[in-house]
Amino acid sequence: GDSVTQTEGPVTVSESESLIINCTYSATSIAYPNLFWYVRYPGEGLQLLLKVITAGQKGSSRGFEATYNKETTSFHLQKASVQESDSAVYYCALGANTGYQNFYFGKGTSLTVIP
Amino acid sequence: EAAVTQSPRNKVAVTGGKVTLSCNQTNNHNNMYWYRQDTGHGLRLIHYSYGAGSTEKGDIPDGYKASRPSQENFSLILELATPSQTSVYFCASWDRGQAPLFGEGTRLSVL
Repeated sequence: GDSVTQTEGPVTVSESESLIINCTYSATSIAYPNLFWYVRYPGEGLQLLLKVITAGQKGSSRGFEATYNKETTSFHLQKASVQESDSAVYYCALGANTGYQNFYFGKGTSLTVIP
Repeated sequence: EAAVTQSPRNKVAVTGGKVTLSCNQTNNHNNMYWYRQDTGHGLRLIHYSYGAGSTEKGDIPDGYKASRPSQENFSLILELATPSQTSVYFCASWDRGQAPLFGEGTRLSVL
């Protein structure tokens, strides 16, 4: 089936350290998967962090990057130097660009950045 | 500016009571969704809609009904609320070529 698996949290890193949150997907019924990272800050809703719709491309936003790797079915989220304000829950998601589409979300990775 | 607004933001209900969660979008999107999010689970789809007048069951529809009276509004209805429905609920809207837009969530506690 279609699904997303991401790093189990919680993850704690110190400010200015690098970060990687792993995400792998299975898209058996979606011919051309679109991949997303969403972020949920405390007390807020889900916000789109970045999206990539073409295999081999990289998306970036707010210092975060993720590359859509079709060969390894991965979409890992990386940041070279995290800040305390990056503390949030991060969700990897899979969807398709068709008339109707369910979106498949990972379980979320809770990140705490220690100053 | 594109937006999805949920109300209420917080709700405490009694077991057996009726609860209605409301969602309004100003994006003119055809597709709307209701998800619930629980610790240890990703977002799970409850109901969705293709447009005004349509509602479809998602992956976990039991105990929930939905209503889409207009393009802008999509409600989730718990006719007989149970403690297992204590959760955070998210509404989203979407159209082709875009990423889903989410509301801020409704935290529901059923006592």
